[in-house]
Amino acid sequence: GQNIDQPTEMTATEGAIVQINCTYQTSGFNGLFWYQQHAGEAPTFLSYNVLDGLEEKGRFSSFLSRSKGYSYLLLKELQMKDSASYLCAVLDSNYQLIWGAGTKLIIKP
Amino acid sequence: NAGVTQTPKFRVLKTGQSMTLLCAQDMNHEYMYWYRQDPGMGLRLIHYSVGEGTTAKGEVPDGYNVSRLKKQNFLLGLESAAPSQTSVYFCASSLSSGGAETQYFGPGTRLLVL
Repeated sequence: GQNIDQPTEMTATEGAIVQINCTYQTSGFNGLFWYQQHAGEAPTFLSYNVLDGLEEKGRFSSFLSRSKGYSYLLLKELQMKDSASYLCAVLDSNYQLIWGAGTKLIIKP
Repeated sequence: NAGVTQTPKFRVLKTGQSMTLLCAQDMNHEYMYWYRQDPGMGLRLIHYSVGEGTTAKGEVPDGYNVSRLKKQNFLLGLESAAPSQTSVYFCASSLSSGGAETQYFGPGTRLLVL
C-alpha cells in the first residue's frame, strides 16, 4: 500500500530553526509537495520537489532524496505565524496526490 | 479573482438527509477535486474531474456522487447522510494533474451528521 509518515506534533521556539521530516512509500513518484494549513483554514502551497536536493525559498527550504524516500521541510527564523500544520504529499504514478496526516507545529515565544 | 469558493461553510444534517456541496473556481482550471479531512488522517480523495462532463472515483467514493456540468463548478452530493460522513470537505482545482501543478483549495465545508 501507499504510505506517508510525518511526526504528529513538534514544538519549537520563536527565532529558532525546525526540520519536519517526511518519509514515503508510494506506487511511483512524480514529485513531492509541502503545504501549510493554519487551523480552520485551507491548505496552501509551500514547495515542490521532483529532483534530489535542496530547494530554498526565503525562510523555507525543502529537501528530497528519492533513493531514501525521504524529504524534509526546514523553517528558519521561526515566527509565531508559522504555527500551523505542515502537510507532505506525494504525486504517485497515476498523478494523484497521496497525503500525509500532517505535522502540527507549535511555536513558543 | 476569488480563486476557489465553497458553499455552505457549515452544515448540520440528520442521518438519512441529503445535501449538495458546491465548489466554484474562476481560474479556468481543468482539474477539480473533492477531499475529506478527518483528525489524524491525511486528506483523502473522494472524486475528481479532469474536465467538464467527466468525473472519476478517488480513494473513498462510497456514499458520494459528483457532477461537473460546467467547467467552473464541481458539485458533491450526499444522497443519504451517515454519521461517518461527519468531516471537513475541501474542494481543490489545478490547471492539470502533472508535475509541479499546484492544487488550490477552497476554504472548506464543515459537515456534522447527527
